[in-house]
Parts: sequence; structure tokens; C-alpha cells
Amino acid sequence: KQEVTQIPAALSVPEGENLVLNCSFTDSAIYNLQWFRQDPGKGLTSLLLIQSSQREQTSGRLNASLDKSSGRSTLYIAASQPGDSATYLCAVRPSGAQKLVFGQGTRLTINP
Amino acid sequence: NAGVTQTPKFQVLKTGQSMTLQCAQDMNHNSMYWYRQDPGMGLRLIYYSASEGTTDKGEVPNGYNVSRLNKREFSLRLESAAPSQTSVYFCASSFQGAGNSPLHFGNGTRLTVT
Repeated sequence: KQEVTQIPAALSVPEGENLVLNCSFTDSAIYNLQWFRQDPGKGLTSLLLIQSSQREQTSGRLNASLDKSSGRSTLYIAASQPGDSATYLCAVRPSGAQKLVFGQGTRLTINP
Repeated sequence: NAGVTQTPKFQVLKTGQSMTLQCAQDMNHNSMYWYRQDPGMGLRLIYYSASEGTTDKGEVPNGYNVSRLNKREFSLRLESAAPSQTSVYFCASSFQGAGNSPLHFGNGTRLTVT
């Protein structure tokens, strides 16, 4: 059974720092991996989707990498801003499955 | 572009009451999903519909029913609400096919069962 883990559960950093959020999964047979952002009281917003054949995806200050063989993905946020404060979740779609398996998320706080 | 719209935003029920959560998407997606989110439990899939006319159980289907009314709409029904169903419910949609699209979420329904 696929399991997704995100460590740490919470992270607090000063504004302007570059930071990395981690996601690990137990089964490398995945179709894709997605990173989401969730603001308090809101739904999830998709940030990046990496297909299993890809190594990374970039959008603005965000860069997500995927290493299937080691069961890991990272989300790199450059030059962090207070507006980046949110909970970040990763999710994998196992091969042959229609549904995603989510991690518990990392709650990120950027301090001005 | 509305994306995924859920109604209602908030609801309080008494134990034993029934209600239907509504969800509609305007992105021409074929797949739709219902999740619940609880502190410490993360997001758990209740039911999903891979395409119009099909529905399948997720991880936690007990106590719920769904209807894929058409390609746009996917409703979740609680026939006899229980306090354990107090949660935030999210509807989501995506295009599943040769080129998969990201999952798009609604803003959620916050349900309290007393």
C-alpha cells in the first residue's frame, strides 16, 4: 500500500530564505506526483505536477524534483515571502490507480 | 472561470438528519472526487467517479452515497448523519487520460454534526 510522508510537519523561516520541503513515498510505481498549497479555510491549489518520466518542474520561484527510484520529491521555494505561508501537501498517483494518495502536509510560516 | 463550486459552505446537522453536498465543475473534466479532511488524518477519499455514469468507493465510504448526475455535477449524500462525520468536505476534479491534468479543488463544506 502506497504511503506518503512529509517531514517536518511544521517549518518556520525568516523572509528571504531559500527553503526545501520534503516528500517521500513507499512505492516507486507512480504515474505522477503533485504539490499543492492550502491556505487556512480554503481548498487545495495545485502548484506543480510532475509526470513519472520527468525529473523536475518549475513555476516562478517554485521548483519541484522527483526521484522515483529513491521515493523522494522536494519542493524548492526561492526567496521566500510572507505570502508563501501556507500548508504544502504532496500527493502521488500510483500506477494503474485513479486516485491520489496524500501526505499530511508541511505547515510553512515565513516570518517578516 | 469558476472552477469547482461547492455548496453549502457551512452546515450544522443534528444526529440522524440527512443532507446532500453539491459539487459542480466547469472545466470539462471527466473525473470527480469527494474527500474529507480531518486534523491528524489528512485528506481521505470517500468516493470518486472516473467518468460520467461510474462511481467507486474510496478509503472511507461508509455512511455516504454519491451521484454523478452528469459530467459537471457530483453530489455526496449523508443519509443519517453521525458526529463522526463532522469534517471539512472537499470536492475535486481532473482530466484523467493520456495527458493527466492537476487535481482542482473546491473551497470546501464545513459540516458539524451535533
